[in-house]
Amino acid sequence: KQEVTQIPAALSVPEGENLVLNCSFTDSAIYNLQWFRQDPGKGLTSLLLIQSSQREQTSGRLNASLDKSSGRSTLYIAASQPGDSATYLCAVRPGGTGTASKLTFGTGTRLQVTL
Amino acid sequence: NAGVTQTPKFQVLKTGQSMTLQCAQDMNHNSMYWYRQDPGMGLRLIYYSASEGTTDKGEVPNGYNVSRLNKREFSLRLESAAPSQTSVYFCASSEFWGLGNGYTFGSGTRLTVV
Repeated sequence: KQEVTQIPAALSVPEGENLVLNCSFTDSAIYNLQWFRQDPGKGLTSLLLIQSSQREQTSGRLNASLDKSSGRSTLYIAASQPGDSATYLCAVRPGGTGTASKLTFGTGTRLQVTL
Repeated sequence: NAGVTQTPKFQVLKTGQSMTLQCAQDMNHNSMYWYRQDPGMGLRLIYYSASEGTTDKGEVPNGYNVSRLNKREFSLRLESAAPSQTSVYFCASSEFWGLGNGYTFGSGTRLTVV
């Protein structure tokens, strides 16, 4: 059974700092990995999607990397801003189709960026 | 804006009442899903519909029923609400079984059962 862990569970950084959020998964046979952002009381917003054949994806100040063989992904946020404060979730989609291909979510990292 | 729309956004029910949560997507996705999110439990899959005309149980289906009304709409029904069903419910959609460009989530329905 796929297990997805995110470390740290919570993180507080001053504005302007670069930071890294970690996501690890136990089964490397994945199809893709998706990073989401969730603001308090809101839904999930997709940030980046990395296919299993890719090593990284970038969007603005965000960069996500994937190392399938070691079961790790990182989300790098450059020059953090107070507006980046949210919970960040990673989700892994296994290979194949059918019920075995359901998403497995990590436990999330709650980020606070202070002034 | 293209995406997943859920209604209602908030709901309070009394134990034993019934209600239907509505979800519609306009991205021509084949697969749709219902999740619930609880503190300390993360997101758990309730039911899913891989394609129009099919539905199946996820991890926590007890107390719920679903209907895939057409390709766009996927509803979740609570027949007799219980306090344990107090949660935030999210609908999501994707290309067939999450192939392609990943999942898109709605903004959620916050349900309280008293």
